[in-house]
Amino acid sequence: KAGVTQTPRYLIKTRGQQVTLSCSPISGHRSVSWYQQTPGQGLQFLFEYFSETQRNKGNFPGRFSGRQFSNSRSEMNVSTLELGDSALYLCASSPSETSGRAYEQYFGPGTRLTVT
Amino acid sequence: GQSLEQPSEVTAVEGAIVQINCTYQTSGFYGLSWYQQHDGGAPTFLSYNGLDGLEETGRFSSFLSRSDSYGYLLLQELQMKDSASYFCAVTPRNNYGQNFVFGPGTRLSVLP
Repeated sequence: KAGVTQTPRYLIKTRGQQVTLSCSPISGHRSVSWYQQTPGQGLQFLFEYFSETQRNKGNFPGRFSGRQFSNSRSEMNVSTLELGDSALYLCASSPSETSGRAYEQYFGPGTRLTVT
Repeated sequence: GQSLEQPSEVTAVEGAIVQINCTYQTSGFYGLSWYQQHDGGAPTFLSYNGLDGLEETGRFSSFLSRSDSYGYLLLQELQMKDSASYFCAVTPRNNYGQNFVFGPGTRLSVLP
């Protein structure tokens, strides 16, 4: 099975711009979560999608949004970029609850976003 | 809210055994997970404790005690490739679906 893929891998943007990141989960996984990882704040949960619906949301401003498509692929968008948004953005997919392994998250390689 | 604490760094020699602790303050959670992340890489799932007690997966074991608000990851027969950051994580019980809260991570350095 192919792993979680994320595009692009690296991105450089300017303050005020917006960015869209893409994530393709492992085939059969319907839950997709997004995280922001920075040296100072560690791994922080952004949101989780399941069957095209946002089930959970972390404590991030409304500039951070996401969506999921019918094929479980997900995108996250950050508008009006700030310098502090520079981070590694990780996407993770999980097996369904019925599999009994919903606690396992499989992470993609991440998108390294640099805001200048 | 939920918060987890881990030592920031641990150093051990090849072949040794090392224990990485995770203490938490949370109103309730489904289980405690552990992830490994090498520099420049993505976190990878290592172990999960849904119930109190010890779970063993090869050289790695994980333990949970809800009464003590404590868990640990035990790595045996350390190898150089085990040098990485290790994160504990919980899924709060008051949420539906996946909403993992991660600890700050412990950087393990394995020396020859």
